[in-house]
Amino acid sequence: DSGVTQTPKHLITATGQRVTLRCSPRSGDLSVYWYQQSLDQGLQFLIQYYNGEERAKGNILERFSAQQFPDLHSELNLSSLELGDSALYFCASRGPLDTEAFFGQGTRLTVV
Amino acid sequence: AQKITQTQPGMFVQEKEAVTLDCTYDTSDQSYGLFWYKQPSSGEMIFLIYQGSYDEQNATEGRYSLNFQKARKSANLVISASQLGDSAMYFCAMREGRSDKLIFGTGTRLQVFP
Repeated sequence: DSGVTQTPKHLITATGQRVTLRCSPRSGDLSVYWYQQSLDQGLQFLIQYYNGEERAKGNILERFSAQQFPDLHSELNLSSLELGDSALYFCASRGPLDTEAFFGQGTRLTVV
Repeated sequence: AQKITQTQPGMFVQEKEAVTLDCTYDTSDQSYGLFWYKQPSSGEMIFLIYQGSYDEQNATEGRYSLNFQKARKSANLVISASQLGDSAMYFCAMREGRSDKLIFGTGTRLQVFP
């Protein structure tokens, strides 16, 4: 168990809908990262938050947004969903003294 | 541009044998870190081993070792005494010194047979 909790584990929704993925980082970790793993794009970095502030942005679509709350949990919002958004979405967290990032179990999103 | 290349889509190895998974990287930074993660069929990403660009010794973690050849920009993962439970996808990743994000390779699927 990495200590990073993601909910829900599975999500099935229709095209055009909006969903929210939730992540609770390891206790005390200020950095939260979101990654998308899809068959055609592989594992891609989406966005990073550090202590509530956006720190870095990757290949995140404009239809997607994220935030990190004062209690350090993070949410990834995906809207106007398309079939191609079906993927495994990972959250990871890292502490200031850690070299590695710790990944959650992922949320498997299926858009039908 | 930073890039990670894993040229082996799939590898087979017999139980108790050693196996090497290849990884090459491209970066213009002097400071960077290299990682290997394991992804079993259940989907989670499990950290295996880390090598810093300034580390002179190859990293080792139990049965895992990283064969770091800086001049060749390679960071191969060596798994000794393979076990059936090692069957999984293995991803090589890099983090540059000025960035906090991980760049992943396309992965290698390892299958261990009895």
